[in-house]
Amino acid sequence: EVQLVESGGGLVQPGGSLRLSCAASGFTFSNYWMNWVRQAPGKGLVWVSRINNDGSTTSYADSVKGRFTISRDNAKNTLYLQMNSLRAEDTAVYYCISITVTWGQGTLVTVSS
Amino acid sequence: EIVLTQSPGTLSLSPGERATLSCRASQSVSSNFLAWYQQKPGQAPRLLIYGASSRATGIPDRFSGSGSGTDFTLTISRLESEDFAVYFCQQYGSSPLTFGQGTKVEIK
Repeated sequence: EVQLVESGGGLVQPGGSLRLSCAASGFTFSNYWMNWVRQAPGKGLVWVSRINNDGSTTSYADSVKGRFTISRDNAKNTLYLQMNSLRAEDTAVYYCISITVTWGQGTLVTVSS
Repeated sequence: EIVLTQSPGTLSLSPGERATLSCRASQSVSSNFLAWYQQKPGQAPRLLIYGASSRATGIPDRFSGSGSGTDFTLTISRLESEDFAVYFCQQYGSSPLTFGQGTKVEIK
């Protein structure tokens, strides 16, 4: 079964850090570009970051540039998102996605004091 | 940045009817890299269509995508009860990737 499973979300104070992980299975992870997308409560979908299949090329939304870092470990079939200097406006469900394959179920990140 | 505008905002239809959803881009979508997703309350989005017209694995053939350049359409040929949901389009041909604001398909 094709699957993406996110983990690492939770409650963090403003200025804090979290690292999200996304474990892939059921498809050849190393062949696909991967993305992080987020959805604030009651809001639409917003793209956060993208990484190419071998990890050599990354891109970010302006709102997270310089604070978030996307990476991947193809040997472990895992995608990561390191989030630093978190702000209240980063509160959202974060989804790991392979656009032409599937989405994960999401992990909730809440930034609040 | 490519802005995607979906219309209508809400579509009120009965089961068995045909649904036609539009997604218009502010500039041409590279290589027709346009995807459609379905989202139900409390659930993650589900991939329906990628590359403007390719159905994802396991998606029923009542869902079809068409279009190119700046104008794209998702058609549901005969609505079933489980199809009432919100539908989003996304372009992934250029960075930043962008989403439409969504079309809600509700039961009339």
